[in-house]
Amino acid sequence: DPKIIQKPKYLVAVTGSEKILICEQYLGHNAMYWYRQSAKKPLEFMFSYSYQKLMDNQTASSRFQPQSSKKNHLDLQITALKPDDSATYFCASSQETGGEQYFGPGTRLTVL
Amino acid sequence: QEKVQQSPESLIVPEGAMSSLNCTFSNSASQSIWWYQQHPGKGPEALISIFSNGNKKEGRLTVYLNRASLHVSLHIRDSQPSDSAVYLCAPRNSNNRIFFGDGTQLVVKP
Repeated sequence: DPKIIQKPKYLVAVTGSEKILICEQYLGHNAMYWYRQSAKKPLEFMFSYSYQKLMDNQTASSRFQPQSSKKNHLDLQITALKPDDSATYFCASSQETGGEQYFGPGTRLTVL
Repeated sequence: QEKVQQSPESLIVPEGAMSSLNCTFSNSASQSIWWYQQHPGKGPEALISIFSNGNKKEGRLTVYLNRASLHVSLHIRDSQPSDSAVYLCAPRNSNNRIFFGDGTQLVVKP
């Protein structure tokens, strides 16, 4: 059974629209993260949460907003989408901040 | 911002050979260095990590860390076709932020 679920697997959006990427982990972990992997860039850290609180934020744009409604959920809301936002977005989790991180399968976002 | 350089970009080895992957990083105070494996269409999976200078062995994997030269290497003994994947070097800083390299594409030919 998948331990980290990301939905949807593929997502196509139009420029200017808003989308929410879903992440749920069933590992009992207390820390969760978002990363982005673009075609021409390495995997890039975006956010980290611990016990549902924001711990670290690498993303300069306020268009990216994490949302943690439950301990094992960390969704990512992206507003005013741009073609440059096209990437695969990975959710990850670890027992505690600093522990081994387990990655989900990713959501591939394409912005037209 | 940590800079991570991996080499070679791609590596082709025959089955049973040793695969050697290299990584240099910019921050000597990196808390630990992780190696991840990523198959196409999948998320990265942690393979092995090292905190102290020297080497660490786990199964067919050996990692060497030299903080003075800011260099870490991963060696896969008896490489198998199932080892074919992208390998990512990932230093972690004191704030627990992980920085990834571009990766080395490993192909193991039967």
